[in-house]
Amino acid sequence: DTGVSQNPRHKITKRGQNVTFRCDPISEHNRLYWYRQTLGQGPEFLTYFQNEAQLEKSRLLSDRFSAERPKGSFSTLEIQRTEQGDSAMYLCASSSLTGPNQPQHFGDGTRLSIL
Amino acid sequence: GDSVTQMEGPVTLSEEAFLTINCTYTATGYPSLFWYVQYPGEGLQLLLKATKADDKGSNKGFEATYRKETTSFHLEKGSVQVSDSAVYFCALAPTNAGKSTFGDGTTLTVKP
Repeated sequence: DTGVSQNPRHKITKRGQNVTFRCDPISEHNRLYWYRQTLGQGPEFLTYFQNEAQLEKSRLLSDRFSAERPKGSFSTLEIQRTEQGDSAMYLCASSSLTGPNQPQHFGDGTRLSIL
Repeated sequence: GDSVTQMEGPVTLSEEAFLTINCTYTATGYPSLFWYVQYPGEGLQLLLKATKADDKGSNKGFEATYRKETTSFHLEKGSVQVSDSAVYFCALAPTNAGKSTFGDGTTLTVKP
């Protein structure tokens, strides 16, 4: 059972640049989630997909952020015109719709550092 | 909206000591409750879960009971080991498997 895979593990970029992260969920999982985690805090919800449909977006997800899951498999999270405040760990998780109350399985995250 | 409050850390214990990490929540309806653990340099892993009132989740010697009357889900372990050193997150999720809401985490350090 391969877990949730995120790439890259680390991204360092200059303020104002665009960045894109990728998440490959567990293959049979229908739902895919993006969270952001800063030091000393728990993960904060950004958005989630059920198959290819984006079902909910947090108010944290400004218009500089966009997420896609075009074929209901992998997902990308893009941040345009990055700002210092975007520095964080970006976590992806997936879960199954089979049965109620399924837990989310997390990847190791992509750490973004803005210079 | 939903929220989770965890006891502030860090928590430092000696090996074989008893552990309690408090967690209380605010939510509409009847959410599922989870404890996740994050070891240094790794992603979050599910530790245990409970899906309805009075359910007890357990795993690796850890236990937590879903207490609806006190809206709590405290994590306990009778005898901690050095390998239990990690950050522990309490979380809730609605029953339709939507987004999870996390507490801020509690860092546990166990000394030999």
